[in-house]
Amino acid sequence: ETGVTQTPRHLVMGMTNKKSLKCEQHLGHNAMYWYKQSAKKPLELMFVYNFKEQTENNSVPSRFSPECPNSSHLFLHLHTLQPEDSALYLCASSQDPVSDTQYFGPGTRLTVL
Amino acid sequence: GDSVTQMEGPVTLSEEAFLTINCTYTATGYPSLFWYVQYPGEGLQLLLKATKADDKGSNKGFEATYRKETTSFHLEKGSVQVSDSAVYFCALKNYGGSQGNLIFGKGTKLSVKP
Repeated sequence: ETGVTQTPRHLVMGMTNKKSLKCEQHLGHNAMYWYKQSAKKPLELMFVYNFKEQTENNSVPSRFSPECPNSSHLFLHLHTLQPEDSALYLCASSQDPVSDTQYFGPGTRLTVL
Repeated sequence: GDSVTQMEGPVTLSEEAFLTINCTYTATGYPSLFWYVQYPGEGLQLLLKATKADDKGSNKGFEATYRKETTSFHLEKGSVQVSDSAVYFCALKNYGGSQGNLIFGKGTKLSVKP
């Protein structure tokens, strides 16, 4: 596979569930990102990782917990979410945080009941 | 802080019509400007970019010119096709502010009818 892949593509969970989103990039990049895309709102940057180290947490609630075991993989662990957390979660990567171009995955459509 | 404002959608056009999607920005310094496109069911893809004033980015028949005097980066295409139906996002990256992160507009949905 090439590019940035995300699994699952769709996820429905209750507020008491624990689930994880997975992102994998096959581009040899060093920086990875999580974004939240909600209807009628701009994309919101959630987390930035560079060489596996978190370099930015954009005031994200602790019910979202990222993990970056290596430069190719990024996870977003979810627990005790709220219905307003329902959104499309996009993963992206770039050569480094300064690079102009980010490459996005197709996203995970999350619904919290 | 830095921000991007783009025209509200949806925009509905007939095939071969002229397209303009307006984008203006607020930023300190000299940001780079981008248009990303999101086709149905897919992630965002970079469509074009410009890194300094008066630069014109172009790709797939789309063009946008970095206008510092009007702080604008409007997207244009002379003749749209049904396959151009997508959501278009204007964005900026400001190394002097916003910690160099991409700042996106809300997106404009384009529907092209045959």
